[in-house]
Amino acid sequence: NAGVMQNPRHLVRRRGQEARLRCSPMKGHSHVYWYRQLPEEGLKFMVYLQKENIIDESGMPKERFSAEFPKEGPSILRIQQVVRGDSAAYFCASSPTSGDGNQPQHFGDGTRLSIL
Amino acid sequence: GQQVMQIPQYQHVQEGEDFTTYCNSSTTLSNIQWYKQRPGGHPVFLIQLVKSGEVKKQKRLTFQFGEAKKNSSLHITATQTTDVGTYFCASRRGYKLSFGAGTTVTVRA
Repeated sequence: NAGVMQNPRHLVRRRGQEARLRCSPMKGHSHVYWYRQLPEEGLKFMVYLQKENIIDESGMPKERFSAEFPKEGPSILRIQQVVRGDSAAYFCASSPTSGDGNQPQHFGDGTRLSIL
Repeated sequence: GQQVMQIPQYQHVQEGEDFTTYCNSSTTLSNIQWYKQRPGGHPVFLIQLVKSGEVKKQKRLTFQFGEAKKNSSLHITATQTTDVGTYFCASRRGYKLSFGAGTTVTVRA
């Protein structure tokens, strides 16, 4: 049973370019969460999506960042015009339901984004 | 989200020794989760505590939720090199997880 799949594992971009991070949730999971982790810090919630819907994007910067989870295909976290401060590990997690506290979120291996 | 603070930030342990890491909040938590992240890896769910005073064990790991539900601890006995990594606590409100900054554990053989 495949876990949460993220790609690429490592992504290098120059300042001003676009970064696209992909996440395929676990089979049977329709809830996707994106987190950002800076070095030596905990994960910070960015956005929560269900298929074709953004439920909560309160943790995502208002500019340059966007997320989607289309009906078909993976969830995408898109960062436009990247800056050095965007360098971080971006983790995706999924769960079969949302508010049930007994359902843990399962994390992917993350995408390590480096901005030159 | 509900803020949680973890201490210590770093824990250097001699193999075979015990240690404890703590997770504290200024507000009452509905639950606390613990995750382990190996270097270069992703967070792996370990346990969830919900009840006041709850204690759960996983082999050499003992997790405790305080009586006032404002703190939690993770105690590891007879530390092994496989225990290396960062241990995070997180409070969950609905779907939103708020992580502490973690305790990074290194082990001296």
